[in-house]
Amino acid sequence: EAGVTQFPSHSVIEKGQTVTLRCDPISGHDNLYWYRRVMGKEIKFLLHFVKESKQDESGMPNNRFLAERTGGTYSTLKVQPAELEDSGVYFCASSHWERGLAGYEQYFGPGTRLTVT
Amino acid sequence: AQSVTQPDIHITVSEGASLELRCNYSYGATPYLFWYVQSPGQGLQLLLKYFSGDTLVQGIKGFEAEFKRSQSSFNLRKPSVHWSDAAEYFCAVGAGSSNTGKLIFGQGTTLQVKP
Repeated sequence: EAGVTQFPSHSVIEKGQTVTLRCDPISGHDNLYWYRRVMGKEIKFLLHFVKESKQDESGMPNNRFLAERTGGTYSTLKVQPAELEDSGVYFCASSHWERGLAGYEQYFGPGTRLTVT
Repeated sequence: AQSVTQPDIHITVSEGASLELRCNYSYGATPYLFWYVQSPGQGLQLLLKYFSGDTLVQGIKGFEAEFKRSQSSFNLRKPSVHWSDAAEYFCAVGAGSSNTGKLIFGQGTTLQVKP
C-alpha cells in the first residue's frame, strides 16, 4: 500500500510568486490534514478535509492560502502571493474517517519544504 | 488553550544507554496523546498512542510511554537505544472532537546517538 505522497519535495520561489503544493493521501482515507512547521517552531495544524469538505480550517494563516480537495482524493494547497514568513515545511496527513478515534491515527507524508526568497 | 511542551530540544545518549524524552501537556479534558518520530527525509511515523485504559503503552521499535495525569506528562522511554533511533521525536495531543483528529504538537526533541 502506498503511503501519503507530497509534491514537490522542495520548492524555492520569490516573494510575490504563487506556489501550489500537492498531497495524495492513502487510498480510502477520507480524512486529509495539512500541517506546517516554520523553522524552529512546532508543527501547526492548518486545516482538515473530510472527503471534499473542509471540516476545520481554523489554522489557516490568512486568505493567501487556499486549500482544495476536488473529488475527495488528492488535495492542493496554494499560496498566492507568497511572503517570506510562509517558508517552512508543509506536511500532509491522512486517516480513516469513522465515529470514534480513528481520525487520530494519521499517516504523514514526507513534507514539502517551501523556501520564499 | 491546549499546548504541548517538550523541554529538551536536543538530547545525546550513547548507544545501548536508556532514553527518556519528556512531554508535558495542557488540556482540560482527558487527553489523547501521541508520540511521532521523523527520520531524515521521511514523514512522521506514529510510535505509540494513548486513548484510555492502561497508562503504560507499548509502541513500535521497542518504545513505551507512560501517561501520568497528576503530572500532565507522557514521557517516552526506551531501555536500550540503537544508532538507528537517531531522529526527531514529537509529542502531540489530540484536540477537537473525537472524530476530527486535529493534533497539537510540541516543538520536537532531536536525539543524537553516540557510538
